[in-house]
Amino acid sequence: DGGITQSPKYLFRKEGQNVTLSCEQNLNHDAMYWYRQDPGQGLRLIYYSQIVNDFQKGDIAEGYSVSREKKESFPLTVTSAQKNPTAFYLCASNRDRQDTQYFGPGTRLTVL
Amino acid sequence: RKEVEQDPGPFNVPEGATVAFNCTYSNSASQSFFWYRQDCRKEPKLLMSVYSSGNEDGRFTAQLNRASQYISLLIRDSKLSDSATYLCVVPTSGTYKYIFGTGTRLKVLA
Repeated sequence: DGGITQSPKYLFRKEGQNVTLSCEQNLNHDAMYWYRQDPGQGLRLIYYSQIVNDFQKGDIAEGYSVSREKKESFPLTVTSAQKNPTAFYLCASNRDRQDTQYFGPGTRLTVL
Repeated sequence: RKEVEQDPGPFNVPEGATVAFNCTYSNSASQSFFWYRQDCRKEPKLLMSVYSSGNEDGRFTAQLNRASQYISLLIRDSKLSDSATYLCVVPTSGTYKYIFGTGTRLKVLA
């Protein structure tokens, strides 16, 4: 089955700790994305990558970092510099511009 | 004007009713449009894509009005299982970014 996997589903972190969220896809998509969703809010773009070894900041990149060393993988690190990291994090991918985006099941991060 | 705008609702409708949502967009060069469904605490899932004037899939119809720059989603014969938030998504022109509306909540009541 082709799709996007994210792990873990739930993550708890203490303040001051960095944490890395995993996103893997086997859809052979070039473009991958990270979004953040807060309760009752829309999706906000953190980072996106059009191709391996290249990525761009989205609208709320501060306190986050990413890497794209492989086509299948786009991990997101939430650093201690992110002031309000508690949120629902969604990874997505698509084949090309204007194409349908497909989403992973999300990771719910809670900072204690 | 927001790039993509939706009425947040909620729209409370009885089972069997027909309900329609609109989504306005600001970039007249946009070529493709998407409706996603998002259940509470879950990821968005594609409902319909619209590349020309419209699209129909069973009880769901999406219409595009380029002159007025909006897309609509019509749901006929509403089911309890249609209760969800419906997101309007518009890819930007010339980049890989997608603009998401904040969503319209639908509650279908028994």
